[in-house]
Amino acid sequence: KNEVEQSPQNLTAQEGEFITINCSYSVGISALHWLQQHPGGGIVSLFMLSSGKKKHGRLIATINIQEKHSSLHITASHPRDSAVYICAVRSRGSQGNLIFGKGTKLSVKP
Amino acid sequence: DAGITQSPRHKVTETGTPVTLRCHQTENHRYMYWYRQDPGHGLRLIHYSYGVKDTDKGEVSDGYSVSRSKTEDFLLTLESATSSQTSVYFCAISESIWDRTNGGYTFGSGTRLTVV
Repeated sequence: KNEVEQSPQNLTAQEGEFITINCSYSVGISALHWLQQHPGGGIVSLFMLSSGKKKHGRLIATINIQEKHSSLHITASHPRDSAVYICAVRSRGSQGNLIFGKGTKLSVKP
Repeated sequence: DAGITQSPRHKVTETGTPVTLRCHQTENHRYMYWYRQDPGHGLRLIHYSYGVKDTDKGEVSDGYSVSRSKTEDFLLTLESATSSQTSVYFCAISESIWDRTNGGYTFGSGTRLTVV
């Protein structure tokens, strides 16, 4: 069983829809990251969470440490949000290396 | 203003040849990581460094070695390339394992390596 599971694997939405991507993990963590990978391949860090909720523009990330679950929400989705969204955790006691989920491929249609 | 650059961006090499990938940072970050990305897998850790001359193995380290002789450079070497090492390789840097910034991690643009 993977230590970091994301759902769904693929997601197609219409422009303007509210989108939720889920991440569950099985290890104790010190932080959880949400990353974005565009078709060109570059990876950008969106959020780092250790508790609660963070918001940046139309993106909202939440984490429930007790339930070992995090969600990434995109409000008023736009075609430029099309990308692969990756959840990654930093396990407690690690030297900072991340354990990655397999990613959620999001396609937003105009 | 990348702060982290990988070279080369693309490489095709023959089975059995040695290959070195370079990761260069201008952020003076302590931690550097090499990951590989393959279809059907999340990124997986190959090796990492927590300081000059301080390195350790990751999940998929067989067939790879690394060196860090100065803060800004982290080299990944495939001693004798095999087709199973065809992959996209990402370098990442982190200032501290106790990240204070919103992101905490910065990734290079990746190196696409093909072993034929």
